[in-house]
Amino acid sequence: GNSVTQMEGPVTLSEEAFLTINCTYTATGYPSLFWYVQYPGEGLQLLLKATKADDKGSNKGFEATYRKETTSFHLEKGSVQVSDSAVYFCALRPPGGYNKLIFGAGTRLAVHP
Amino acid sequence: GAGVSQSPSNKVTEKGKDVELRCDPISGHTALYWYRQSLGQGLEFLIYFQGNSAPDKSGLPSDRFSAERTGGSVSTLTIQRTQQEDSAVYLCASSLEQGSPEAFFGQGTRLTVV
Repeated sequence: GNSVTQMEGPVTLSEEAFLTINCTYTATGYPSLFWYVQYPGEGLQLLLKATKADDKGSNKGFEATYRKETTSFHLEKGSVQVSDSAVYFCALRPPGGYNKLIFGAGTRLAVHP
Repeated sequence: GAGVSQSPSNKVTEKGKDVELRCDPISGHTALYWYRQSLGQGLEFLIYFQGNSAPDKSGLPSDRFSAERTGGSVSTLTIQRTQQEDSAVYLCASSLEQGSPEAFFGQGTRLTVV
């Protein structure tokens, strides 16, 4: 079946630190991969996506590369800001259909000045 | 509207009562989804609508849960005889069409069953 595993939080960093949030997946075929972010008091927002192997999604300084050989889609940012504090969800969409997204458990990031 | 709108934003209900949660998708979006976000369960898919039909209801947890969509727009998720384990945030999302790579989420309805 399809599943997503992401690192447990919370992750606590100082401002300007390097961020990695690990995400691995199990899927049949070639899924699309996503990172969603949920800021405090707000709804889920799409942060970035990749639809095929070796694609790199990027947005707001965040990046993630679709690695089929390691079935991973790790989220990285070179220098985090306090405003990046949020919960980050890795998700996959199985091939061939609609947005029946399979989500990871979420990783809470807290960035301190 | 500009985004996916859900109402109410918060709902407290007594165990055993029925509740209705409403989702107003982005205008023109044909695909609509309901998800549930609960402690210990993460985010889980409930049901998918394409237009007014629901080709995938596989995530509905029991027959107390039902949903409908009318006019290819507004959707209502109904929970009958609510139980405490139904307490969660219910999220609605829409996308332009079935195969669109991006789904836009509403802010959710926080349901608390007491």
